[in-house]
Amino acid sequence: ETGVTQTPRHLVMGMTNKKSLKCEQHLGHNAMYWYKQSAKKPLELMFVYSLEERVENNSVPSRFSPECPNSSHLFLHLHTLQPEDSALYLCASSQDGTSGRASYFGPGTRLTVL
Amino acid sequence: GQNIDQPTEMTATEGAIVQINCTYQTSGFNGLFWYQQHAGEAPTFLSYNVLDGLEEKGRFSSFLSRSKGYSYLLLKELQMKDSASYLCAVNTGTASKLTFGTGTRLQVTL
Repeated sequence: ETGVTQTPRHLVMGMTNKKSLKCEQHLGHNAMYWYKQSAKKPLELMFVYSLEERVENNSVPSRFSPECPNSSHLFLHLHTLQPEDSALYLCASSQDGTSGRASYFGPGTRLTVL
Repeated sequence: GQNIDQPTEMTATEGAIVQINCTYQTSGFNGLFWYQQHAGEAPTFLSYNVLDGLEEKGRFSSFLSRSKGYSYLLLKELQMKDSASYLCAVNTGTASKLTFGTGTRLQVTL
């Protein structure tokens, strides 16, 4: 497989559930990102990992917990979510995490919280 | 704060030229990106500008004026497949910390 893959593509969960989103990149990049895309809103950067260290946390509630075990994999652990957390969650990667490098996005996980 | 403005929607005819504008006011600037996003799909990278001027890539060109906080994406010889949302994003930090506009939905008609 090439590019950035995400699983699952669709997820429906209750507010008391715990679930995880998975992202894998096959591009040899060493920076990875989580974004949230809600209807009628801009893409919002949630977390940035560069060389497996978290370098950015954009005031995201603690019910979202990222994990980056190596430069190819990124997880987003979800627990006690709210209905307003329903959105498309996009993973991206780039080389070096420096400013001039384009980010390449995965297809996203469409999350619905009931 | 960060503010990036784009028109919400635009319509253009197949074969025509369309210009999508983006203005930004951000606390930092390390380059501006344009992405294309078809409905239900991931954003895909189109162009990057960090210096003033025009960058041309096939049918697509992007322009930047840092002093005016302004960019545009120019699409020539429009095709039906160009119907998509076009996202303007500014890198506001030293890492690839992108702040996005809400996107411009372009509809190409016959």
